[in-house]
Amino acid sequence: DTEVTQTPKHLVMGMTNKKSLKCEQHMGHRAMYWYKQKAKKPPELMFVYSYEKLSINESVPSRFSPECPNSSLLNLHLHALQPEDSALYLCASSRGGSDPSGREQFFGPGTRLTVL
Amino acid sequence: AQKITQTQPGMFVQEKEAVTLDCTYDTSDQSYGLFWYKQPSSGEMIFLIYQGSYDEQNATEGRYSLNFQKARKSANLVISASQLGDSAMYFCAMREGRGNFNKFYFGSGTKLNVKP
Repeated sequence: DTEVTQTPKHLVMGMTNKKSLKCEQHMGHRAMYWYKQKAKKPPELMFVYSYEKLSINESVPSRFSPECPNSSLLNLHLHALQPEDSALYLCASSRGGSDPSGREQFFGPGTRLTVL
Repeated sequence: AQKITQTQPGMFVQEKEAVTLDCTYDTSDQSYGLFWYKQPSSGEMIFLIYQGSYDEQNATEGRYSLNFQKARKSANLVISASQLGDSAMYFCAMREGRGNFNKFYFGSGTKLNVKP
């Protein structure tokens, strides 16, 4: 099973709403990632969790709050977002750790978020 | 300095012909990995091919091959016998370093259009 799943596929929310994006993988990967991607741009790294601990936060505004409840799950809690936060949010996982032969980073299908 | 540079914003290729997408990278690490991803209009990032910095042979996966020239720090993707379904955005990425996290750097992408 080389699948990363994300829910929901689409989300429309107002600026005062609170919502969460969910990501799940069952490949035994110990590194999980959140990316934000605007149209026709490369993915921008937001957060990296390694062994369920936050290891990278790319200076993301606090209205985005990640959570890693266990090694298979990754959430992104959203609160008081702005219209410019509308984007495709991609979750990914990789083997992680100190394995220099670490290969693929598997991506989920993404959540298309629209903030009104 | 950019970690990954893709200098071709857009490329056209005739169906059944081969095409090369350029990628150069910048790192001082000895151990790193290079990746190519395909992103169709649906948004999903699809892993295509991987090349490790210590791999002596160029990676191949079906119609995809990676032309790895370490001294020139280039990792070009070659797609042989292009198909209409190859029309998509293509991203080159690099993972560098060892340790407890893996940070992936993405290039700006190349939009490939395959003409019938």
